[in-house]
Amino acid sequence: LAKTTQPISMDSYEGQEVNITCSHNNIATNDYITWYQQFPSQGPRFIIQGYKTKVTNEVASLFIPADRKSSTLSLPRVSLSDTAVYYCLVAPSGGYNKLIFGAGTRLAVHP
Amino acid sequence: GAVVSQHPSWVICKSGTSVKIECRSLDFQATTMFWYRQFPKQSLMLMATSNEGSKATYEQGVEKDKFLINHASLTLSTLTVTSAHPEDSSFYICSARGSAGSDEQFFGPGTRLTVL
Repeated sequence: LAKTTQPISMDSYEGQEVNITCSHNNIATNDYITWYQQFPSQGPRFIIQGYKTKVTNEVASLFIPADRKSSTLSLPRVSLSDTAVYYCLVAPSGGYNKLIFGAGTRLAVHP
Repeated sequence: GAVVSQHPSWVICKSGTSVKIECRSLDFQATTMFWYRQFPKQSLMLMATSNEGSKATYEQGVEKDKFLINHASLTLSTLTVTSAHPEDSSFYICSARGSAGSDEQFFGPGTRLTVL
């Protein structure tokens, strides 16, 4: 399974756009990139998943360059409730593939 | 969306006792479930993969005789921490994948275990 590297922590202010970059140099051809959000004492929550280029949903955008060795999660106009740990994971899609969590990025949004 | 529940949400027990944690998929059938453990300020660590009707597959370093996993139905997997000790105190989280072709893994809310 491809290893991921993310910044340990980030700080932002309400209303700003936050971009969290994840490196996954050894990503395999059949791997997808998935981002999860976790609040304290809760299970992770799926945010977004992509394979290449750009994916957008109602809460975030995911940018993946052509070489797929990195990806960037973009959170538009964050609020205090976006304070959480964000995990980037790489794994094959479909089937029953286990997910290996890295250290994640602890995002703190300030008033 | 798919919902995964866990019971209990928290439990306190004495050292040496066994504790059972349930993980249920409420509105879908989960042929595969996963169990994770998370210590404070740390990431989730995969403990084992639970497959309905067969033995669980444990990750390296996880004692299968201490962490008993049973996946007797398509909607229920249980994790039993046997002879619990204070070092087993942690946040236990399960997740479930649906049947073949399902990409997303749905996580439960977690169970906080405190061993005195």
